[in-house]
Amino acid sequence: AQSVSQHNHHVILSEAASLELGCNYSYGGTVNLFWYVQYPGQHLQLLLKYFSGDPLVKGIKGFEAEFIKSKFSFNLRKPSVQWSDTAEYFCAVNGGRQAGTALIFGKGTTLSVSS
Amino acid sequence: GAGVSQSPSNKVTEKGKDVELRCDPISGHTALYWYRQRLGQGLEFLIYFQGNSAPDKSGLPSDRFSAERTGESVSTLTIQRTQQEDSAVYLCASSLVSLGEQYFGPGTRLTVT
Repeated sequence: AQSVSQHNHHVILSEAASLELGCNYSYGGTVNLFWYVQYPGQHLQLLLKYFSGDPLVKGIKGFEAEFIKSKFSFNLRKPSVQWSDTAEYFCAVNGGRQAGTALIFGKGTTLSVSS
Repeated sequence: GAGVSQSPSNKVTEKGKDVELRCDPISGHTALYWYRQRLGQGLEFLIYFQGNSAPDKSGLPSDRFSAERTGESVSTLTIQRTQQEDSAVYLCASSLVSLGEQYFGPGTRLTVT
């Protein structure tokens, strides 16, 4: 079945540690890829997106993600996390031969950063 | 400009009652989406409106769910004869064009008792 998989359900890090959250999708064709973030008590916000071009995309707050087409992956990274990065992170995809227009989301990864 | 707004922010209803949830998209956005987020789950697509085209209802879980949109403005999601499994946060999003970046509202938390 078509899906978006996020490998980590809950990640716990100390401040200044490096972060990598995995995301894999199973849709064929040309897809658009997104990472959304939901801070405690706030609504979903776009962190970064990939439509085409340079597979390494930079988003807000020092986040970046790399699209690796051969691996159907779009992993999120940040070299040094801060306490304020504590949030839930969702990978999503649309477009492609099967995904359609609506976003298909992974189940999310909760990131807890201790100061 | 204002973002996507939704009302009410919270709704508690008794099993079997009907509820209406409202979404005001960003002005000028032609595409509007409804999603549902149940506890511990990712977001599930429900329905998609694009301009005056027929909506994509492929994500609606049952015929108790329906939605309308007036032109390119307000949308209402209606759930008839609510069940406890309908308890979730219902999110609305809009985008300038289809396949574009989607902007989410704050959601309506629905609790069915």
